[in-house]
Amino acid sequence: AQTVTQSQPEMSVQEAETVTLSCTYDTSESNYYLFWYKQPPSRQMILVIRQEAYKQQNATENRFSVNFQKAAKSFSLKISDSQLGDTAMYFCAFMNGSGNTGKLIFGQGTTLQVKP
Amino acid sequence: NAGVTQTPKFQVLKTGQSMTLQCAQDMNHNSMYWYRQDPGMGLRLIYYSASEGTTDKGEVPNGYNVSRLNKREFSLRLESAAPSQTSVYFCASNVPSNQPQHFGDGTRLSIL
Repeated sequence: AQTVTQSQPEMSVQEAETVTLSCTYDTSESNYYLFWYKQPPSRQMILVIRQEAYKQQNATENRFSVNFQKAAKSFSLKISDSQLGDTAMYFCAFMNGSGNTGKLIFGQGTTLQVKP
Repeated sequence: NAGVTQTPKFQVLKTGQSMTLQCAQDMNHNSMYWYRQDPGMGLRLIYYSASEGTTDKGEVPNGYNVSRLNKREFSLRLESAAPSQTSVYFCASNVPSNQPQHFGDGTRLSIL
């Protein structure tokens, strides 16, 4: 069974600085996808970034980038130039690419506070 | 575009009462999912439907039933609510296999 672990329950960062959120996962699959979702206080689940396991290049979306280390089964999220609107809970999630079910397995979440 | 719509947004029940949470999506997605979110545990899959007419259990199905009414709608029913089912419930949908899931705004359910 696949598992996803986020070992940092809470983090804080000063506005305009850079912060990295950690995520590790365990799987025996070779075909899979990894995601970071953001959940602000409004409770919405917002997709931040997506990584295909077969791609070596790390995904980037504006100020958000990942460090995907496949051998180490690590998938960290880096937020550059942090903004107050980045304050949220962040979830790492795993999707098995086989079996065609599209199910997500989530980590426990990291609460990020951006301080002015 | 509405995306994924959940109703109601909030609900308080008494132990033993029944309730159906409604979910509808307008993106023509094949797959739909129900999750529950509890503090410190992330989101856990209750049931999912890979396509119209099929449903399967997820990680925490006990105490719940689902119905995939048509391609658009996927409902979650609590037949006899228990305090342990107090949670925030999310519905999601996607094209299966590798696309991100789109989430509704959630239902906060409290069972007294």
